[in-house]
Amino acid sequence: DIVMTQSPDSLAVSLGARATINCKSSRSLVDRSTGKDFLAWYQQKPGQPPKLLIRWASTRESGVSDRFTATGSGTDFALTISSLQAEDVAVYFCQQYYTSPVTFGPGTRVEI
Amino acid sequence: HVQLQESGPGLVKPSETLSLTCSVSNDSIGNYFYNWLRQTPGKGLEWIGNIYSRGSTNYNPSLSDRATISTDMSRNQFSLKLTSVTAADTAVYFCTRGGPYEGRYSATYSLYWGQGILVTVSS
Repeated sequence: DIVMTQSPDSLAVSLGARATINCKSSRSLVDRSTGKDFLAWYQQKPGQPPKLLIRWASTRESGVSDRFTATGSGTDFALTISSLQAEDVAVYFCQQYYTSPVTFGPGTRVEI
Repeated sequence: HVQLQESGPGLVKPSETLSLTCSVSNDSIGNYFYNWLRQTPGKGLEWIGNIYSRGSTNYNPSLSDRATISTDMSRNQFSLKLTSVTAADTAVYFCTRGGPYEGRYSATYSLYWGQGILVTVSS
C-alpha cells in the first residue's frame, strides 16, 4: 500500500496569516502517460463528512475559495491557505488514488 | 446537486454481517466510481472499496475478503456487506461518489459524500 504522511499534526495560525500543510507519499503518484498526479485534498469540520477541495494535486473544486492553493508533484505535496479565516478551522487530509487501495494521510488540524 | 444517504442498523453483534445501503439522489447510478469508506479516531479514514463500470469492484486487502459492494440500479442504490464483524469494525461509515470511470484507472477521489452513519459492533 502507498503510505501517506502529513506534517505537521496540527498548527495554530493567526487570522489572516498563511497556513501550509505538507503531504508526502511513499511512492510517486504521477501517471507517466498523462503527467497527472493522483492526489486529492479534503477539509473536514466537526460532525461533517470530508469535503473535496482539490483533485489532481492542484485543481481546485468549483466553489472552493481561491485562498486554498495546492502544489507539488511526485511524492511531495502541499496545501496552503493564504489568509486563514475562522471558517477554515478544520482537519485537512490528503489522499492518493493512484492505486488501490486508496489511502489517506492521518490529517492535520488547523486552529486559530 | 448529487446527494447520498447511508442507511442501515447502527448496532451489529460481533460475528454477524454489517449491511449498509447508500441511496443516490439527483443523479442516476452510472459510469462513476462509488465508494465505501469508514472513519475512526484511531485509524483515521479507511477506504473499504469501490464499484464501477457495470459491477467491477476493488476492495481493501486489509479487510481480508470480508467486504462485498453491489449496486441496485432499479433503486438507484449501492450497498456494502461486511461479514464476521468485530469491535474493530466500529466506525462512521461513508458512501461516496467519485469521478468518472474512464477505462484506465481503478480508483478516484470522492466528490460527493453521504453524511455518514455510526455503526457500533457490540453484543
